[in-house]
Amino acid sequence: TQLLEQSPQFLSIQEGENLTVYCNSSSVFSSLQWYRQEPGEGPVLLVTVVTGGEVKKLKRLTFQFGDARKDSSLHITAAQPGDTGLYLCAGPSYSGAGSYQLTFGKGTKLSVIP
Amino acid sequence: NAGVTQTPKFQVLKTGQSMTLQCAQDMNHNSMYWYRQDPGMGLRLIYYSASEGTTDKGEVPNGYNVSRLNKREFSLRLESAAPSQTSVYFCASTPWADTQYFGPGTRLTVL
Repeated sequence: TQLLEQSPQFLSIQEGENLTVYCNSSSVFSSLQWYRQEPGEGPVLLVTVVTGGEVKKLKRLTFQFGDARKDSSLHITAAQPGDTGLYLCAGPSYSGAGSYQLTFGKGTKLSVIP
Repeated sequence: NAGVTQTPKFQVLKTGQSMTLQCAQDMNHNSMYWYRQDPGMGLRLIYYSASEGTTDKGEVPNGYNVSRLNKREFSLRLESAAPSQTSVYFCASTPWADTQYFGPGTRLTVL
């Protein structure tokens, strides 16, 4: 079973601060996905990183995939209250007969205080 | 285009009662999934269906059954609800080995 460890579990910061959250595994993944989940809703995909060492930017969010494809980070610059939510990383696994699953980390719950 | 829809949104059951959670997607996706989400536990896969006509167990299948009724619909049944099944349940779908699209969730309480 491939496990994904996310840290920190909780993060509370002031508006305007920068932050980084981490997603680590002892297993190699072909790709990693990051989702954001707002209270009362289902997760929504933010980005997929595929290549080791890849960096993707989505406005104030920067995602990095480790060179060995075992870890990933999400950096938010100048956090805003709208960034509040649960951030989940997820890695794919494939089995026979075209079966595809995602393993999710437990998430980082971010609160951005105005 | 509604995406993934789930019914009901909220449900309260007594221990031993049964119920079926409904999920439908209108994106013509092949694969569908049922997860439960508990505080501090992340999303855990209950069952999934890689394609119409197939279903497989995930990480936490005990106490649940599923039916892939057709390509659009994937239901989750609790035959005899237990307090340990109090959770938020999410259905998701994907075209193939790609982004998973989630429904809004069903919040279930078992007393």
